[in-house]
Amino acid sequence: SQKIEQNSEALNIQEGKTATLTCNYTNYSPAYLQWYRQDPGRGPVFLLLIRENEKEKRKERLKVTFDTTLKQSLFHITASQPADSATYLCALGIQAGTALIFGKGTTLSVSS
Amino acid sequence: GAVVSQHPSWVICKSGTSVKIECRSLDFQATTMFWYRQFPKQSLMLMATSNEGSKATYEQGVEKDKFLINHASLTLSTLTVTSAHPEDSSFYICSATDRKNTGELFFGEGSRLTVL
Repeated sequence: SQKIEQNSEALNIQEGKTATLTCNYTNYSPAYLQWYRQDPGRGPVFLLLIRENEKEKRKERLKVTFDTTLKQSLFHITASQPADSATYLCALGIQAGTALIFGKGTTLSVSS
Repeated sequence: GAVVSQHPSWVICKSGTSVKIECRSLDFQATTMFWYRQFPKQSLMLMATSNEGSKATYEQGVEKDKFLINHASLTLSTLTVTSAHPEDSSFYICSATDRKNTGELFFGEGSRLTVL
C-alpha cells in the first residue's frame, strides 16, 4: 500500500541545535517533494521544494535532502530558535498541477 | 504575491444547516484549486480538485452531494457543506496552483467548522 510517514509525531530540542525531521514514503514515485510549516489553527506555509533529480536544497537555515533510492527526505533546521516551533509537513507531488499528498507532520518544539 | 484568502476562518452552525466557505486567490489566477480536510493531529486529506468552469473531481469516500464545490472563476472556489452534522466538524483548507505550475501550492488560512 502507499504510505508517507514522518518519523515522529513530536521532536523536542534545545535552542541553537539542529533539528532533523525525516519523511519516508512507500509505493510512490514523486516528481518532487515539499516541506510546509503549519502553526496551530492555520493553513500550511510553503518552505522548500526539491525535485527528484536534486539531492539537496538550501534556504537560509533550512536544508532538505531527497534520496529517491532510499525513498526518503531529510529536513534540517540549523541554529534552531523557539520561533521555529511548529508542525512540519512533508508532501509528495506526483505531477505539477496535481494535489499534494501529505504526511501527518512532526511537531517541533524548540526550548530556550 | 500568491496569496489565498479563505473565509470564514471559523463558523459554528446547527446540525442540518448548510455552510459555505469561500476561497479566493488575491493576486494570481488559480488554474486549479484543491480542498483538503484536516482532523486534529491528522494529515491533510484531499477532498476534491476543481478546475475553473468544470465539475470538481472528488476523492474516493467524499460525498459530492454533501460537499458541493463550485469554481466559477479563476479566482474563486466555494465549498458548501450541506445538511451539516457533528461528524463534519473539521478544519477545511483550500489551496491553489498558479499558471507557472511549479508544483508549489498556495494555501488559505483554513476554516474551522463546528457543527452542534
